[in-house]
Amino acid sequence: EAQVTQNPRYLITVTGKKLTVTCSQNMNHEYMSWYRQDPGLGLRQIYYSMNVEVTDKGDVPEGYKVSRKEKRNFPLILESPSPNQTSLYFCASTSLDRGTGSPLHFGNGTRLTVT
Amino acid sequence: KNQVEQSPQSLIILEGKNCTLQCNYTVSPFSNLRWYKQDTGRGPVSLTIMTFSENTKSNGRYTATLDADTKQSSLHITASQLSDSASYICVVSAGSNYQLIWGAGTKLIIKP
Repeated sequence: EAQVTQNPRYLITVTGKKLTVTCSQNMNHEYMSWYRQDPGLGLRQIYYSMNVEVTDKGDVPEGYKVSRKEKRNFPLILESPSPNQTSLYFCASTSLDRGTGSPLHFGNGTRLTVT
Repeated sequence: KNQVEQSPQSLIILEGKNCTLQCNYTVSPFSNLRWYKQDTGRGPVSLTIMTFSENTKSNGRYTATLDADTKQSSLHITASQLSDSASYICVVSAGSNYQLIWGAGTKLIIKP
């Protein structure tokens, strides 16, 4: 089944404790992206990647890191989480075969709480 | 500044009724406009993608329209079902590098 898999679904941590949220897709998509979603706001892009070893900042990259060593994986790293990073996080991927005309496929989300 | 605005913020209708959600955008250069459905706590799912030249596109009971001159789009839901309860998000793609401008969404509640 074609899917984007995020882990974990729920995560509670304390300020300053490094964490990684994993994202994997099995559709051979070139493009992958991380978003955060907060109440009353639209999805905001954190980082994106157009292909292996190619990453770029989105709208809200501060406090986050990513890497794209393999095509299928795009982990999100919080080196020193803070309470303002408490949010619902989504990973998404898409093919670039049709330029910008392909839909994004989303994972089921990771709800992160930083205390 | 690139922006996507949706209205209403929320909407409650009875099962079986029709409804229309609105999206206004100021995005340049325009590439395409998308509508996503997002169930509570889940990732968004694509409903339609419309390019500059498309006025109307349907996906089952969902019909999206696009007026590129007035920079407006609408999503019409026919014969609503309880499973249509969700947030509906309008997204505009700008340029050629997959930059997406997200609206805040319309929360739709269908009551039996």
